[in-house]
Amino acid sequence: AQRVTQPEKLLSVFKGAPVELKCNYSYSGSPELFWYVQYSRQRLQLLLRHISRESIKGFTADLNKGETSFHLKKPFAQEEDSAMYYCALLEKYNNDMRFGAGTRLTVKP
Amino acid sequence: DGGITQSPKYLFRKEGQNVTLSCEQNLNHDAMYWYRQDPGQGLRLIYYSQIVNDFQKGDIAEGYSVSREKKESFPLTVTSAQKNPTAFYLCASSLAGSTGELFFGEGSRLTVL
Repeated sequence: AQRVTQPEKLLSVFKGAPVELKCNYSYSGSPELFWYVQYSRQRLQLLLRHISRESIKGFTADLNKGETSFHLKKPFAQEEDSAMYYCALLEKYNNDMRFGAGTRLTVKP
Repeated sequence: DGGITQSPKYLFRKEGQNVTLSCEQNLNHDAMYWYRQDPGQGLRLIYYSQIVNDFQKGDIAEGYSVSREKKESFPLTVTSAQKNPTAFYLCASSLAGSTGELFFGEGSRLTVL
């Protein structure tokens, strides 16, 4: 079965500083990875997916198969980025989606 | 108004009682999921279903049961066998074979007294 590890439960940075939220996975097949975000008093929602190779709200994430990582990065953090971030891995053949424990990001003014 | 709806938002139950949480979606999604969200443990998969009349256990299925009699509905029963049922429960749905975007409900908070 697939596993997702987010080693940091809490991460705090100052506004304008770079931020990196770590995600490592274990999976024998070809992974599909995602980052989900939950802002205060909002529903959990998709932020970005590796297959799209997109940048959303200034965030990017690169899949590194050699290091089995999918870290989320943003060069200049904003206060509105403060939220709970979850890394997730999808097993495509059966739609089994597993999440990491989450990292709470706080961006201080 | 399309989306995924969970009810009730808050639920209290006495020990030894079963309780059923409702999850309904009108997005015509094939797959539906139940997760349990606990502080420091993230989202843990309880059950998921790819199609009607079929479902699979996740990591923490013990003490829970589900049914999928209709495409739009995926109720979760928390049975008295669940040793630590007080938690926040999230339901989600997605198009099977899609790019993997899950749409989440607002959640149901169950407290066992």
